[in-house]
Amino acid sequence: ETGVTQTPRHLVMGMTNKKSLKCEQHLGHNAMYWYKQSAKKPLELMFVYNFKEQTENNSVPSRFSPECPNSSHLFLHLHTLQPEDSALYLCASSQIDRGNEKLFFGSGTQLSVL
Amino acid sequence: AQSVTQLGSHVSVSEGALVLLRCNYSSSVPPYLFWYVQYPNQGLQLLLKYTSAATLVKGINGFEAEFKKSETSFHLTKPSAHMSDAAEYFCAVSVPPGGTSYGKLTFGQGTILTVHP
Repeated sequence: ETGVTQTPRHLVMGMTNKKSLKCEQHLGHNAMYWYKQSAKKPLELMFVYNFKEQTENNSVPSRFSPECPNSSHLFLHLHTLQPEDSALYLCASSQIDRGNEKLFFGSGTQLSVL
Repeated sequence: AQSVTQLGSHVSVSEGALVLLRCNYSSSVPPYLFWYVQYPNQGLQLLLKYTSAATLVKGINGFEAEFKKSETSFHLTKPSAHMSDAAEYFCAVSVPPGGTSYGKLTFGQGTILTVHP
């Protein structure tokens, strides 16, 4: 148990659906991240939130919409996705003002877009 | 800009044998380097990290890695493999903290370690 919980663990959706991924961290960290893990590709940083403010958007298509209502919760809203968006989406958190960039990852949401 | 190259997408060893997973990095500034492990159906866990102190870093589960600036390498080793070591391993690089550092890790493509009885 890493202290970072992601739901759902698995999600199958059609290209016209709207769904949301949820991440919650119980570690008191001040930064949260979304990463995308596709087969045979390195992990890709998607978004970074620092103290609830988005500080990084790594050229992610607008069909992915993050939301960080507080420093413990992070959402990724999905709409009109494409089959190539099928991947494992990982949430992570860290306490960056200690100069400690140790990331704590959730178990991920395995997304399949049909 | 930073990048990481992991040599070998698959490594297979026998139980009890030496584990060597290779990682080379590129960074315009002195880097911080990390090894993460991912077990099936789980997120990533930090194995060890190099943050400009000792060049030989010891991590969890008997793993260690040595930072070699002259070779721009940070290879991961374990003297004796155990069946439970079977997983995917990721090398990552970031810049040291300061200014607007946000834990932005750049990951390698991963190496799947298989351990045979």
